Order: sequence, then structure tokens, then C-alpha cells
Amino acid sequence: DAGVIQSPRHEVTEMGQEVTLRCKPISGHDYLFWYRQTMMRGLELLIYFNNNVPIDDSGMPEDRFSAKMPNASFSTLKIQPSEPRDSAVYFCASRLGSNQPQHFGDGTRLSIL
Amino acid sequence: GENVEQHPSTLSVQEGDSAVIKCTYSDSASNYFPWYKQELGKGPQLIIDIRSNVGEKKDQRIAVTLNKTAKHFSLHITETQPEDSAVYFCAAREGGSQGNLIFGKGTKLSVKP
Repeated sequence: DAGVIQSPRHEVTEMGQEVTLRCKPISGHDYLFWYRQTMMRGLELLIYFNNNVPIDDSGMPEDRFSAKMPNASFSTLKIQPSEPRDSAVYFCASRLGSNQPQHFGDGTRLSIL
Repeated sequence: GENVEQHPSTLSVQEGDSAVIKCTYSDSASNYFPWYKQELGKGPQLIIDIRSNVGEKKDQRIAVTLNKTAKHFSLHITETQPEDSAVYFCAAREGGSQGNLIFGKGTKLSVKP
């Protein structure tokens, strides 16, 4: 079975550029999560969706970050404009229902120069 | 909100020995405790989980124990192998119908051949 699919796997861009990260959740899963992982702060939840609707975006660090889920099989996390401190690994995860395990993609390693 | 503490941050064992990683949580309403293994360049992978109505769960060389009264849970790996080397994360699901996972900071396990 296909797991959570993220693209790109690596992204290197210059400060000020727009960055778009993409995620395809496991088919049938109704929850989708975006996390950021850094050495200093570990795994941080940025935002999550239930049935394509954003439920909690309190973890989104700034207005420069936005996330959308236009349909059940696709979500984007956008950073505009990007800054060097946004450099991190960004993970997407999905889950079926509120009582089932959560499954992660392999992440996007983002470097902002 | 929920707070999860994980110890130790690094652990080095000889192949064949056992490894134990411990976590504590703060929210008495938490009812689900997964453990994830993260290999280099990969996303966290669920290896075992336990719900609050169970005190112990085993899966081959891996076991998890839960003490609800003391609010702590542990991961036990027996007969460790070099391929067990990775970063391990514990998590606790916050109380509430859509409780999210709160992760510990991780333990880097090194198994020396």
C-alpha cells in the first residue's frame, strides 16, 4: 500500500522566495497533519485538517506560512516569503479517524539560503 | 496542555543487550501512547502503541509498558541488533475527541556490533 507521499524530498532556495511543499495522504484517511522538525524544537505540529477543513493552525509560526487542502488527496504548505530560519524538515502525516495510528511521509528537507 | 518528557536523549548499547527508553506525560486524560522509530532521511515509523486500558504490550523483541497512576510509559527492546540504531520518539495523545499527538524530544539509540 502507498504511504503518505511528500514532494519534493529536498528543496534549496534563496531567502525571499516562495516555497510550496506537497503532500498526498493515505487514501481514505480523513485527518492530515503538517509538522516541522528541527534539532532545537523537535517535532512541532503546525496545522491539521479533518475532512479537508483546517481544525487547528495554532502551530503555524507566522503569517508567512499557509496551508490548504483542496481535496481529500492533496495538501500544500506554503511559505512566502521564506527566511533562513525556516530551514527544517517538514513532515506530513495522515490518520483514519480520531482513534487510529498516525502515519508519516518521509519529509521534505528545506534549506533557505 | 500535554507535556511529554523523554529520557535518555542518547543511548549506546552492545549488540544483544537490552535498551530501555522512558517517557512521562502530564495530561491524565491522555489515552493513547505510540512509539515511533526514525531512521536517517526517513519519516517516523510507528513501531508499537499502547492504549490506556492495557498495562503492557509486546511485539517480538519490542515491548511497551504503561503506568497510568505514575503517568509514565517505557519502550523495551531486547536482543538489540545494529539495525535497531535510530532515533526513537514517544508520544501521548491529548485528551479530547480530536486529541493530537504530543511528542517527546527523541532518543538516539546506537547499537554497537
